[in-house]
Amino acid sequence: DIEMTQSPSSLSASVGDRITITCRASQDIATYLAWLQQKPGEAPKSLIYTASSLQSGVPSRFSGSGSGTEFTLTISSLQPEDFATYYCQQYDSYPLTFGGGTKVDIK
Amino acid sequence: QITLKESGPTLVKPTETLTLTCTFSGFSLSSSGRGVGWIRQPPGKSLEWLAVISWNDHKMFSPSLTTRLTITKDTSKNEVVLTMTNMAPVDTATYYCAHRPSSWSSFDSWGQGNLVTVSS
Repeated sequence: DIEMTQSPSSLSASVGDRITITCRASQDIATYLAWLQQKPGEAPKSLIYTASSLQSGVPSRFSGSGSGTEFTLTISSLQPEDFATYYCQQYDSYPLTFGGGTKVDIK
Repeated sequence: QITLKESGPTLVKPTETLTLTCTFSGFSLSSSGRGVGWIRQPPGKSLEWLAVISWNDHKMFSPSLTTRLTITKDTSKNEVVLTMTNMAPVDTATYYCAHRPSSWSSFDSWGQGNLVTVSS
């Protein structure tokens, strides 16, 4: 199985801050990497696919980069509605696997 | 617009079999490349992929759960059914179904989830 490791596991930030979350894969997954956002009590929402492509309707302040084994999710200017938990997921091979999550809360 | 909704019990007893139905709209599971997957999330924990069924009836399962899982589709009803046998308290989780638009894509739309508690 491909192990997905996210860091940090949590971070505190203020509205307007630029934040970056890192996701590392235990083996090369090319760009078969997705980022999800989950707010408390809600289902996950797909933000980014193929490492850097935004899903329709996702604000441009979200961006993704990386390939191979190291990936990042950046929010350029944190908004109140962005406080949530973020997960990375690889779909290069089965079994599909997710990172442990990064909780972003208000400083 | 693609929507998915999970339905099934909220409480099952240990050793029982769980049956969950994903009813969807906005796409056809007979369209080439499409798939529907199941993912679960224990309370306070991360996500765990369970299974996926594709348009051509190809199925993939989590290796750790493959002996307990069955996945089927009814294209005419726009439904995908997941069954999990021999439920235990560790299987307590919110179960989600999700849409996969093509064979080499991630899940782009998710259902609202169905919380299943396993307890006697």
